[in-house]
Amino acid sequence: GENVEQHPSTLSVQEGDSAVIKCTYSDSASNYFPWYKQELGKGPQLIIDIRSNVGEKKDQRIAVTLNKTAKHFSLHITETQPEDSAVYFCAASINSGTYKYIFGTGTRLKVLA
Amino acid sequence: DSGVTQTPKHLITATGQRVTLRCSPRSGDLSVYWYQQSLDQGLQFLIQYYNGEERAKGNILERFSAQQFPDLHSELNLSSLELGDSALYFCASSVDIRGSPNTGELFFGEGSRLTVL
Repeated sequence: GENVEQHPSTLSVQEGDSAVIKCTYSDSASNYFPWYKQELGKGPQLIIDIRSNVGEKKDQRIAVTLNKTAKHFSLHITETQPEDSAVYFCAASINSGTYKYIFGTGTRLKVLA
Repeated sequence: DSGVTQTPKHLITATGQRVTLRCSPRSGDLSVYWYQQSLDQGLQFLIQYYNGEERAKGNILERFSAQQFPDLHSELNLSSLELGDSALYFCASSVDIRGSPNTGELFFGEGSRLTVL
């Protein structure tokens, strides 16, 4: 069935270092890949997304890359700050035209001051 | 604040009982989604409603049901509760206007934490 694998499950980095979270999806029809950040006690919030016709997208310290051939996409956070500490979820769309996503299992990022 | 309101925030109940979780979507959003978040399972899609009608279904148990009312708020009903149903239940909404561009962004509420004892 459809599946999104996410690694690592936990990640600790020193403040100022970079963090990379990787996801792999199985449905070749997936064409939209959002990343959500969930802070403690809050619901997930969209931080960046990428569509299948684009290979890379940046927004300040955050970037996402997509390799459709390999069915891989990654989140890159540069110059990490303590407020980046949260759980990050990747997701992939399932059917074009609907907004049903399969989410990864999440990565708990800890930025150490 | 995402604009999505979920009640109750916390709920403790016993096995075999039935509970109802409520969600008010962002103003103007026609689609409502329900997700279950367990410790080791991430976010599991349960069901989606669009303008009052069921649109997509995920791994929702037969003991669970949902509906979306004319005012677009939604309720998730969980019955014959089991210990394994303990989880955080999220509601999300999106604009999802047919025929119009849609970013696909989901706006999540803060969740309802259900504990089944």
